[in-house]
Amino acid sequence: GQNIDQPTEMTATEGAIVQINCTYQTSGFNGLFWYQQHAGEAPTFLSYNVLDGLEEKGRFSSFLSRSKGYSYLLLKELQMKDSASYLCAVLDSNYQLIWGAGTKLIIKP
Amino acid sequence: SAVISQKPSRDICQRGTSLTIQCQVDSQVTMMFWYRQQPGQSLTLIATANQGSEATYESGFVIDKFPISRPNLTFSTLTVSNMSPEDSSIYLCSVVEGGPSYNEQFFGPGTRLTVL
Repeated sequence: GQNIDQPTEMTATEGAIVQINCTYQTSGFNGLFWYQQHAGEAPTFLSYNVLDGLEEKGRFSSFLSRSKGYSYLLLKELQMKDSASYLCAVLDSNYQLIWGAGTKLIIKP
Repeated sequence: SAVISQKPSRDICQRGTSLTIQCQVDSQVTMMFWYRQQPGQSLTLIATANQGSEATYESGFVIDKFPISRPNLTFSTLTVSNMSPEDSSIYLCSVVEGGPSYNEQFFGPGTRLTVL
């Protein structure tokens, strides 16, 4: 079956760095997405990786290793507004998006 | 990026009634999807809205319960029929830009539905 695993919840301190991991087992692979979702709001697109390596966008970076079925989202210089759920999603061979359950990130002062 | 609006933003409905949710995009998009997100859960794809033809439904979702229309490349509707409290959820319209390259997917603001 198809499976996306990510931690349910993480806690970090304002100003610090946090890494949210995502592992996947899917029928084929056409890219991996990270989304941010604040409580009560729709998800917003953060990143898309289809090749191995690190993509950096300001304070957020996303890494992919296709051979390991693994990705992470790295958030630097954490701010209180980064408190949200972070969703990992993989596009399979049929171009279906398979969603992880999300990681709730709690930022403490 | 595409700008997506949904109407209504929220509604409270009685059991047994139906609600139609509208999704409007400010540009023509190839792919439009309808998702459901129940409290504390991740997103579940209901169906792909196909322009000019019947929607493609995911396992567990059927046309009689969730009829979908997509008359053109900028607009779609999802109807939640014969509602029950289990249908209480956030319903999200989503679009993909750039054709089948799938490098960006955008979501509407969602419709929060409560069924009493």
